[in-house]
Amino acid sequence: DVVMTQTPVSLPVSLGGQASISCRSSQSLVHSNGNTYLHWYLQKPGQSPQLLIYRVSNRFSGVPDRFSGSGSGTDFTLKISRVEPEDLGDYYCLQSTHFPLTFGSGTKLEIK
Amino acid sequence: EVQLVESGGGLVQPGRSMKLSCAASGFTFSNYGMAWVRQAPTKGLEWVATISYDGSSTYYRDSVKGRFTISRDNAKSTLYLQMNSLRSEDTATYYCTRDYAAWGQGASVTVSS
Repeated sequence: DVVMTQTPVSLPVSLGGQASISCRSSQSLVHSNGNTYLHWYLQKPGQSPQLLIYRVSNRFSGVPDRFSGSGSGTDFTLKISRVEPEDLGDYYCLQSTHFPLTFGSGTKLEIK
Repeated sequence: EVQLVESGGGLVQPGRSMKLSCAASGFTFSNYGMAWVRQAPTKGLEWVATISYDGSSTYYRDSVKGRFTISRDNAKSTLYLQMNSLRSEDTATYYCTRDYAAWGQGASVTVSS
């Protein structure tokens, strides 16, 4: 199984500041079709996960441009600039290149 | 608007069965792969099973293989998860998801005597 190592576990940030979350996979996430299926989600307290970024760097519909994704192969990053109160919650990466699909263990974004 | 509404959760004894349903609307259900993802209390997200758009291909995590069955009825725009031989470790909120992009509100399953 592909292991997704997500860091940090907790990320205190100031409102208006910047946050960066890392996800590293135990093997390449490049599919045989050339695409890389690495996605990022935010789960706000008491809510379902919501897709932020799909296939490494594509913002999902309605996601502010404060959110950006980057990376390749086995090393990926989610950056959030100008953090707002609505950004607080748990962030997860997901790889859907290989079965079984695997999530990172999560990063809790909280106010410093 | 895409809507996914899970139902069928509740309290069930270990070893018994339960069937979850996910009613889809707002999109052409038969065009999309669907999946179930679960989240144990205070824990992270865990993929459970995926089914192709036409139901011809299914995939499961090892811990549920042989016990859970994912299926779909495209005429009814509904996804199912039949869960047999339930264990305490299956206790979780089960989310239905379309292509891992749209998610339902979740159905709570508690396996306990």
